[in-house]
Amino acid sequence: AQSVTQLGSHVSVSEGALVLLRCNYSSSVPPYLFWYVQYPNQGLQLLLKYTSAATLVKGINGFEAEFKKSETSFHLTKPSAHMSDAAEYFCAVSVGFGNEKLTFGTGTRLTIIP
Amino acid sequence: EAGVAQSPRYKIIEKRQSVAFWCNPISGHATLYWYQQILGQGPKLLIQFQNNGVVDDSQLPKDRFSAERLKGVDSTLKIQPAKLEDSAVYLCASSWMGGLPDTQYFGPGTRLTVL
Repeated sequence: AQSVTQLGSHVSVSEGALVLLRCNYSSSVPPYLFWYVQYPNQGLQLLLKYTSAATLVKGINGFEAEFKKSETSFHLTKPSAHMSDAAEYFCAVSVGFGNEKLTFGTGTRLTIIP
Repeated sequence: EAGVAQSPRYKIIEKRQSVAFWCNPISGHATLYWYQQILGQGPKLLIQFQNNGVVDDSQLPKDRFSAERLKGVDSTLKIQPAKLEDSAVYLCASSWMGGLPDTQYFGPGTRLTVL
């Protein structure tokens, strides 16, 4: 079975600083990987997804993530944090056609310090 | 394009009562998902429909939870009777066909509080 581990339930960065949110996965087959963002009282919105094409994936709002098979990681980064990035971020994994359910990590709450 | 609609947005009930949630997916989306998100945790899939058939309900507590998707469009999720541990946000999502790497689009959720 697949699983996701997000290191750090809370991350604080200063406005303009680098954002790095960590995600490690476990899967017996090549995975599909996703990052979702959740703003207060809203549903989840897809930031980006890895689909076995390019290992460096660019998403919305200036975020990107790099798939590293050797490290089983899919960390999310943004060069310069903005106040509007404050939210909860979820990494998710899915495997195999016919088993498309997303298995989510426990989430990382990102706080931006003015 | 309208997103996934859910109602009600909030619901407070007492334990042992019943409750129902409604979801209207994005038009044309064949696959519909219900997730349960307990505070401090990531969403957990309860049930997945492909059109009006169930694909995966392995994590649905079938002794108290039920779900249906009539005519392959709208869906309802019911809890009867509710327990304290059912307090959570219930998220509905839909996708075009359900195959990977299809994007799942989420509704705003229904926040359930069981007293």
